[in-house]
Amino acid sequence: GAGVSQSPSNKVTEKGKDVELRCDPISGHTALYWYRQRLGQGLEFLIYFQGNSAPDKSGLPSDRFSAERTGESVSTLTIQRTQQEDSAVYLCASSVQGYEQYFGPGTRLTVT
Amino acid sequence: GNSVTQMEGPVTLSEEAFLTINCTYTATGYPSLFWYVQYPGEGLQLLLKATKADDKGSNKGFEATYRKETTSFHLEKGSVQVSDSAVYFCALHGSSNTGKLIFGQGTTLQVKP
Repeated sequence: GAGVSQSPSNKVTEKGKDVELRCDPISGHTALYWYRQRLGQGLEFLIYFQGNSAPDKSGLPSDRFSAERTGESVSTLTIQRTQQEDSAVYLCASSVQGYEQYFGPGTRLTVT
Repeated sequence: GNSVTQMEGPVTLSEEAFLTINCTYTATGYPSLFWYVQYPGEGLQLLLKATKADDKGSNKGFEATYRKETTSFHLEKGSVQVSDSAVYFCALHGSSNTGKLIFGQGTTLQVKP
């Protein structure tokens, strides 16, 4: 079946602009995660959605970052007033709760 | 809090050499442990996992044993191939957290023919 998909694959934006990143999880996966991978570093957890429960936002680095998910479908990560330090690959993963996470190919964000 | 530490890379080996990538962790409770691999130009893939102490995860010739006494989950392969060249990430899933994975910083492996 289809895996996790993300769009766009690449995004170049000017400092100060807002960006939206999209994630389509695997059908039937109740849990959805966003991570950030800076160049040469490991993945940092950003936010976690599980069904209709309140999301775990503990990893969001600032109030410029927000994410939404409607039910068990698509999620959007929004970064407002982008800064150069936001440049990274943003990865989305989905899972059946308690089981392994499947990752999308990521969105490479470059802030100029 | 929970954390994962991996050996720094890059690791450069000749084909058919023995591979070890060290991983140690700090966690409360009984975490599950994972190795993920990121091949050039591809997304992150689960390589193997272990969910309790003394479990051995294995896949594609790679193995790792969950050692609670040493809080380690070292990745090993007896004979590497050029196609194993990738970035390897050790990760843990805490027993009491909301499901997020805590990753190490990644180790780049380059295998030369």
